[in-house]
Amino acid sequence: DTAVSQTPKYLVTQMGNDKSIKCEQNLGHDTMYWYKQDSKKFLKIMFSYNNKELIINETVPNRFSPKSPDKAHLNLHINSLELGDSAVYFCASSQDDRDNYGYTFGSGTRLTVV
Amino acid sequence: ELKVEQNPLFLSMQEGKNYTIYCNYSTTSDRLYWYRQDPGKSLESLFVLLSNGAVKQEGRLMASLDTKARLSTLHITAAVHDLSATYFCAAYFGNEKLTFGTGTRLTIIP
Repeated sequence: DTAVSQTPKYLVTQMGNDKSIKCEQNLGHDTMYWYKQDSKKFLKIMFSYNNKELIINETVPNRFSPKSPDKAHLNLHINSLELGDSAVYFCASSQDDRDNYGYTFGSGTRLTVV
Repeated sequence: ELKVEQNPLFLSMQEGKNYTIYCNYSTTSDRLYWYRQDPGKSLESLFVLLSNGAVKQEGRLMASLDTKARLSTLHITAAVHDLSATYFCAAYFGNEKLTFGTGTRLTIIP
């Protein structure tokens, strides 16, 4: 049973295309996140949703739009893809009691824009 | 600015040796996390440190937290090849935001 699952695992697409990455968690967590890991392995938060409500929206281009249809899902849609969007995108989740359980990460989606 | 810095960025060490990875953060945080990432894989939770003086150990890894110095350390004892990975610390600064350090790429040489 995968706790936080992302699809697809790999995504290769051309500049200018629109693509989506899906994330689902079966942990019953209240909060979900999107993180971007660049080529230097640096991890930076992009968005956070708590019970379908947007909590964090970092300085991310508005070509990126998260959508949370319910507490267990947080999808990421990217319009007009650019070369600089190439990265690994991680979905994560946490419950309010993150003191004990921390954050659980998905396996990542490697996006390559050509 | 909320910053988390790790050093060293790269660490190559021989099996059997001991070493420490340092994690400094810029402002008050009472929750510090350590993660491990293998190449091409996700992040695996290692430790959650919640209070000043907290120390946790799992196998050859031991993590500690000094909130007054804004410093956490990850100590590796008698390193083995299986510990080769990238290690991240992350500090929780409130508002649902977990800020990651730059990562330390650890290579254990036989």
